[in-house]
Amino acid sequence: DQQVKQNSPSLSVQEGRISILNCDYTNSMFDYFLWYKKYPAEGPTFLISISSIKDKNEDGRFTVFLNKSAKHLSLHIVPSQPGDSAVYFCAASESGGSNYKLTFGKGTLLTVNP
Amino acid sequence: DADVTQTPRNRITKTGKRIMLECSQTKGHDRMYWYRQDPGLGLQLIYYSFDVKDINKGEISDGYSVSRQAQAKFSLSLESAIPNQTALYFCATSTNGGNYNEQFFGPGTRLTVL
Repeated sequence: DQQVKQNSPSLSVQEGRISILNCDYTNSMFDYFLWYKKYPAEGPTFLISISSIKDKNEDGRFTVFLNKSAKHLSLHIVPSQPGDSAVYFCAASESGGSNYKLTFGKGTLLTVNP
Repeated sequence: DADVTQTPRNRITKTGKRIMLECSQTKGHDRMYWYRQDPGLGLQLIYYSFDVKDINKGEISDGYSVSRQAQAKFSLSLESAIPNQTALYFCATSTNGGNYNEQFFGPGTRLTVL
């Protein structure tokens, strides 16, 4: 049973426009969410995160929005740049007890066209 | 120099062979993880270790074993490799402190089992 879902395998946008990547989760115990970016032949790198006590977190061109009632989060990239072309993974964790591992979605391939 | 290194980066082996993948880190983190990535399936947790004396099974530990030789080293073994273990393998680390959810990944090992 997939607890973190990224329903769009790919997304293509024009340079300078907004990229919106979506993620849904089913486990109501998840209280911390992260986005990772992965280039070919490299490991994933941490991009931005959000705690369930917030509904928005911003870092430069990247903003993550969390809608707890809908169990949905999204990553906005504005403006998109060709260097943003990569696979983006959504991940979630539940901080309680000893369960500190991450559950990943399948990823969304973002292509930013010049 | 990379903070999380993995060796080998690529390996081709035959069914039934024993193989070991190694991971070293210079970040001083206590927690280390092994993931596998299959095309279109995201990252799945194989094993994780919160310190040298603490090792735990992840979602897909069958057919794998691990050894935490030191705080900085965490190796993954396939005792008798089979073709469906062909995948991209990632090691990751995280701190025990406030940002324990933020995991730092190595560059990956591409394993092919013939």
